[in-house]
Amino acid sequence: ETGVTQSPTHLIKTRGQQVTLRCSSQSGHNTVSWYQQALGQGPQFIFQYYREEENGRGNFPPRFSGLQFPNYSSELNVNALELDDSALYLCASSLGGVVTEAFFGQGTRLTVV
Amino acid sequence: RKEVEQDPGPFNVPEGATVAFNCTYSNSASQSFFWYRQDCRKEPKLLMSVYSSGNEDGRFTAQLNRASQYISLLIRDSKLSDSATYLCVVANTGGFKTIFGAGTRLFVKA
Repeated sequence: ETGVTQSPTHLIKTRGQQVTLRCSSQSGHNTVSWYQQALGQGPQFIFQYYREEENGRGNFPPRFSGLQFPNYSSELNVNALELDDSALYLCASSLGGVVTEAFFGQGTRLTVV
Repeated sequence: RKEVEQDPGPFNVPEGATVAFNCTYSNSASQSFFWYRQDCRKEPKLLMSVYSSGNEDGRFTAQLNRASQYISLLIRDSKLSDSATYLCVVANTGGFKTIFGAGTRLFVKA
């Protein structure tokens, strides 16, 4: 067990709706990164939060937004859901603002219908 | 061109075989390199970091060639339990933006 927990584990939403996914980082970790993994693909970097600030962003539109809280847990929000947003959403926690060993949660499987 | 490209899979090998995966990356400023393993419908888990001098962990050996911008993973004496998808991971300047390859599927059969 990595100590990184994500909720919910599965979710079904309708196109156009909004969704919030949650991630609790491993104790002592101050950095959370979010990834989208479509079926048969590697994880795609969405963004990273370090000490409550966005620390970098991948090629995702602004309707993907996030937050990090003082306890370093994090949320991923997606507005105006599209069918192509259906994927496994992974969060990874690590220590520091650089990539060292990152530990992943089990993911949230989002289906948009 | 994708930022990180891996060998297309799947690789089907018998138990005991040696198998090698290659991965190329396009950003010469990349600083950190890793191999992750992902089992079906599970989260990725760090297999090993990759250092310029090369590093070994039991049956697994990772190599980095900065001049040619590629990373390799060698698995010796394959076990059934090695069946998984292997993801090549590159962290770019500043270390925060990690790029995953699409992964290579490995099937080890008895």
